Amino acid sequence: GAVVSQHPSWVICKSGTSVKIECRSLDFQATTMFWYRQFPKQSLMLMATSNEGSKATYEQGVEKDKFLINHASLTLSTLTVTSAHPEDSSFYICSAVSLSGNTIYFGEGSWLTVV
Amino acid sequence: GENVGLHLPTLSVQEGDNSIINCAYSNSASDYFIWYKQESGKGPQFIIDIRSNMDKRQGQRVTVLLNKTVKHLSLQIAATQPGDSAVYFCAENSSGGYNKLIFGAGTRLAVHP
Repeated sequence: GAVVSQHPSWVICKSGTSVKIECRSLDFQATTMFWYRQFPKQSLMLMATSNEGSKATYEQGVEKDKFLINHASLTLSTLTVTSAHPEDSSFYICSAVSLSGNTIYFGEGSWLTVV
Repeated sequence: GENVGLHLPTLSVQEGDNSIINCAYSNSASDYFIWYKQESGKGPQFIIDIRSNMDKRQGQRVTVLLNKTVKHLSLQIAATQPGDSAVYFCAENSSGGYNKLIFGAGTRLAVHP
């Protein structure tokens, strides 16, 4: 079946640094990918919609200059957390929509810990 | 559908019993709903979906019921097994396209032997 891969699975970074998380659709093309953030014992919160070849659409309250999204190809979207702070520590999950638009696939998530 | 709260409600059931997990969604215009299972430290796993033109859909051991009048979804799991222990989320597609999903608050299912 279709697979969405996230890399890294977990990462620890220092406060003030930037960290990039990749979301790849391994055997299908996706014009649209979504990024979610999940804090412990909470639900998934949609951060932004990543559109191939155009700017991402951010949800209300999500800082676009802090969470940079690039969707340069039909199989890759990246989320860069800039100037990370401990409160950015979270589980980041992406999903990808197949070109037919009929199916949504989720990645396994990336744990970010900012120290 | 807006995820709120710091503590997930927990449903505790005995192995072999049936489980019913409920969810209220927010947007009456939502036309597609999905139930996901999430195990600790992993991404959401698709369980079953339903479109707004239906009120019931059955899968293997699972049934989803949709009540559009009161904007309510339920997931029924028959003969619950220890492997069903996880957090369950409902999600609604509220945008009418592009599969932009908004997740509900979630329920933790604990299955006891």
